[in-house]
Amino acid sequence: EAGVVQSPRYKIIEKKQPVAFWCNPISGHNTLYWYLQNLGQGPELLIRYENEEAVDDSQLPKDRFSAERLKGVDSTLKIQPAELGDSAVYLCASSRYSGLSTDTQYFGPGTRLTVL
Amino acid sequence: GESVGLHLPTLSVQEGDNSIINCAYSNSASDYFIWYKQESGKGPQFIIDIRSNMDKRQGQRVTVLLNKTVKHLSLQIAATQPGDSAVYFCAETNYNQGGKLIFGQGTELSVKP
Repeated sequence: EAGVVQSPRYKIIEKKQPVAFWCNPISGHNTLYWYLQNLGQGPELLIRYENEEAVDDSQLPKDRFSAERLKGVDSTLKIQPAELGDSAVYLCASSRYSGLSTDTQYFGPGTRLTVL
Repeated sequence: GESVGLHLPTLSVQEGDNSIINCAYSNSASDYFIWYKQESGKGPQFIIDIRSNMDKRQGQRVTVLLNKTVKHLSLQIAATQPGDSAVYFCAETNYNQGGKLIFGQGTELSVKP
């Protein structure tokens, strides 16, 4: 079974530029998560999708961040415009079932963003 | 502005010894706990989980202990190997969170051959 795929793996941009990250979850997984991980810290949830519906986006800075999961499979996370403080690793995870807290989340390798 | 990373707690053990990694969780309403292993350049990898109606659970070479009275979680790794070197995170959630994990501060495990 293929794991969660993310691209690009690394991205370097100048501040105020836009950037987008792509995630392909494990086949058959209904729930998709985007997390932010700062250096030396644990991941923090940005948004959770159940199929194509964003069911928890309370931690997403909506002034500059947006996300979509149009067909309930792949997802993109966008930042526009990027700020220096956005430099971090952006992780995507997926789980099989919807809304089940005990369902194992499988993480992708992440996209490391550097904003100069 | 420039971001500064936190200095992770570090545990250094000799190959073959047992390792114990500790975690204090914050929410007394949490009822499901997970340990993740994160190697450099990779995403977190599930190791073992435990529900709040248990106080111990064993896996292959790993054991998780839960003490709800003091809100403490520990991960024991038997016969630690160089491949166990990584950052370990505990995470908590509850049935009302629908899968939202709250991660604790990680611990960096370094295994000396």
